[in-house]
Amino acid sequence: NAGVTQTPKFQVLKTGQSMTLQCAQDMNHEYMSWYRQDPGMGLRLIHYSVGAGITDQGEVPNGYNVSRSTTEDFPLRLLSAAPSQTSVYFCASSSGAIRGETQYFGPGTRLLVL
Amino acid sequence: AQKVTQAQTEISVVEKEDVTLDCVYETRDTTYYLFWYKQPPSGELVFLIRRNSFDEQNEISGRYSWNFQKSTSSFNFTITASQVVDSAVYFCALSSGFQKLVFGTGTRLLVSP
Repeated sequence: NAGVTQTPKFQVLKTGQSMTLQCAQDMNHEYMSWYRQDPGMGLRLIHYSVGAGITDQGEVPNGYNVSRSTTEDFPLRLLSAAPSQTSVYFCASSSGAIRGETQYFGPGTRLLVL
Repeated sequence: AQKVTQAQTEISVVEKEDVTLDCVYETRDTTYYLFWYKQPPSGELVFLIRRNSFDEQNEISGRYSWNFQKSTSSFNFTITASQVVDSAVYFCALSSGFQKLVFGTGTRLLVSP
């Protein structure tokens, strides 16, 4: 099993550009989520999904869109990148949406918005 | 609201010293889960331990041990005989609601030879 994979590893964008961060898992996990990590702030939840076709907002959803058409994939879209979105983005998955299931993280995508 | 506080921003120790990383949490839920993750310099997040609110037994795994005390809302992490490879940022996290992990701000541990 590859676990949770993310592409790209690193991306530079100009303000206003759009892009999609890819996340995939091969563990047949129901639950997937996106977090961003900023210095001194820990990780904060952007969006999450409890199963294919179901998504919801986390703590910092503004500027991001998600969809979940398959169990395996959970892409994160930046519609119009802003410098404030410079961050490290982590995708995570767990076997269920029940509170307490361990979430496993991908390697992260480092995004720089100029 | 849920909150996790890791008051220690950075800790420096010399190899073979013991070190304790503090974690204090806030929640109104009676059922909750606590986690520790390690983020080495390579950047990935590595799961270390999960503990539910009904199990206050301390846990030991090799040089790692965890002390969970509901009375003080703390879930502290101790590394015994630290090694250089333990150098990393360590995050404490609280699970509430629908699998929403609330993270502390992390503690950077530097272990020098």
